[in-house]
Formats: sequence, structure tokens, C-alpha cells
Amino acid sequence: GAVVSQHPSRVICKSGTSVKIECRSLDFQATTMFWYRQFPKQSLMLMATSNEGSKATYEQGVEKDKFLINHASLTLSTLTVTSAHPEDSSFYICSARRPNSYNEQFFGPGTRLTVL
Amino acid sequence: AQSVTQPDIHITVSEGASLELRCNYSYGATPYLFWYVQSPGQGLQLLLKYFSGDTLVQGIKGFEAEFKRSQSSFNLRKPSVHWSDAAEYFCAVGAVDYKLSFGAGTTVTVRA
Repeated sequence: GAVVSQHPSRVICKSGTSVKIECRSLDFQATTMFWYRQFPKQSLMLMATSNEGSKATYEQGVEKDKFLINHASLTLSTLTVTSAHPEDSSFYICSARRPNSYNEQFFGPGTRLTVL
Repeated sequence: AQSVTQPDIHITVSEGASLELRCNYSYGATPYLFWYVQSPGQGLQLLLKYFSGDTLVQGIKGFEAEFKRSQSSFNLRKPSVHWSDAAEYFCAVGAVDYKLSFGAGTTVTVRA
């Protein structure tokens, strides 16, 4: 149990376009989802916390107008990178917290974004 | 705020040899501690976790970790490494707001 999927796994887009990444908890309802960014050979950096039915909470230094997060249901959160630029190229990983599971998060397989 | 330090950036170990990855954390209260493994281009897989109770925790793939409060450490061990254990390993600490803070990671290379 506790499977989290992400779609797409890879995306290449032109500079200036917007890209949407989906994160789904397949077998449980996730009240909280998290979005991370990972640069090559580096650790995961938390971008934002997404709570179902409310606005996302962004970490310091993350532009909320650039990285739009929507958590419309208990099983789906989306991250939209607006007006993408080459510096937004990265590996984006989501995770979902299952209720009553302490701090344990279940991670998706990640999405590789390349902006040309 | 909580933080995690993984002192070893890269470790090379021979197949069949033992492995120990170090993790030190900083957190004011009782920590929730995790070890994750990441293969290239993949997401994170949970190896084991510590919330409370027995300080020696058993995980998947033959891994174990020991929580030592006095040393603020949560080191990961495996008695005999397999070539498939080559990956990136992350230690993480969780806080009351459910956020995780990750260490910088340790890359494990397994030589034949």
C-alpha cells in the first residue's frame, strides 16, 4: 500500500510555456502533499506544502506565482511551473502524507523537467 | 528548526563487506528519523524509520539503524553489501509540522 504516482515522468518544453505535473496517492487519501525540487547530485529541497482544500504554504524563496500548486482532492495535487525558463529545469518530486502515519511521507517517482 | 548532517559525501565499499552511513541530527524534541534510498532518476524509497521504542530499527533489504540520543545520531548499517545497494542514501528528520529535512545524501559505490 501507500503508492504515489507522478505524471509525466519526463517533460521537455520550450522557454515561456507552462508545465503541469500531477501527483496522485493511489491507495490512500492524503490530507497533505509536499513538493520537492532536486538538483543533480544534491538533496531534496522542500518547495511547498499542499493541504487539500486550502492554499499551499510555500517555503522561503519559492515564488508562489511561478510554482502554482492546487490540491483539489484528497488524492491529487498539481504543480504548474508557469512561464518556464531553463533555470527551472530540475527533478521535481512529490510526496503524500497518510493520516495518522506520524511524519511518514510516501514519495512519487519524480518528474524530470527540461526547459529548452 | 531541525537539520541533518551526513558527513560522508561518497563511500566506496566492496561487495560482501559491511556498510555504515553516518547521520547526525539537530532537533529540540524527540525526533522522527528516516532513511531513504534513491536510485538514479528515481523517487525515494523508505528503508526504515524511528519514532519511539527500541532504538535499533530493522528495515528492508537487510538494513538496520540505531538511534543514539546522546550522540544525536541515527547511523545506517548493513552487514553485507550487494551490488544492487549502489545508490544515494538520505537521512531525514521530521518535525511536528510534518515537514522533513533531508541531509545532503551519501553516494554509495559498490565494487566487485
